[in-house]
Amino acid sequence: ETGVTQSPTHLIKTRGQQVTLRCSSQSGHNTVSWYQQALGQGPQFIFQYYREEENGRGNFPPRFSGLQFPNYSSELNVNALELDDSALYLCASSLFRDRDYEQYFGPGTRLTVT
Amino acid sequence: AQKVTQAQTEISVVEKEDVTLDCVYETRDTTYYLFWYKQPPSGELVFLIRRNSFDEQNEISGRYSWNFQKSTSSFNFTITASQVVDSAVYFCALSETGANNLFFGTGTRLTVIP
Repeated sequence: ETGVTQSPTHLIKTRGQQVTLRCSSQSGHNTVSWYQQALGQGPQFIFQYYREEENGRGNFPPRFSGLQFPNYSSELNVNALELDDSALYLCASSLFRDRDYEQYFGPGTRLTVT
Repeated sequence: AQKVTQAQTEISVVEKEDVTLDCVYETRDTTYYLFWYKQPPSGELVFLIRRNSFDEQNEISGRYSWNFQKSTSSFNFTITASQVVDSAVYFCALSETGANNLFFGTGTRLTVIP
């Protein structure tokens, strides 16, 4: 158990809809990262939030956006869903300290877009 | 550009056999971190080890051991006396200096047959 929780566990949406995924970080962690893991692939970095501001972004379009709240929980929002957005979405929390930090992953949200 | 290659897509072994999972990486940085994660069917990524580029000492943790060789850009993972509970997908990942994300390989699915 990493202390990182995600909701919902599973979600089915229709193409063109919008979705919000939630992550509750491990207590005391000030950094959250989101990853997309397509079936049979390794996780791909979407973005990271540090103290409520975006702190780096991978190769994902602007329709992927996020928020981090003062209690360090966070959201991943995806607009105009496409079929290729079907994947497992993982969040990882960490305590940003120098550049040496460990990321603790949640169990993920499996999103299916039909 | 960074790259992580896990050439073994799937491996099957009989319980109690030893198994080595290969990881080859590419990076232009001289300072970087390498990781191994385990992903059981539940989906949560479980941290196994982090190694920085200046520490080439091999590490052993119970039945797990890691062999880091900068000369061949490899960071291989060996499980001794495998058990059924070791069945999972294993990911090797790289984090470059100043980067705030992990770059994952495509994973190796290990099946341990009783």
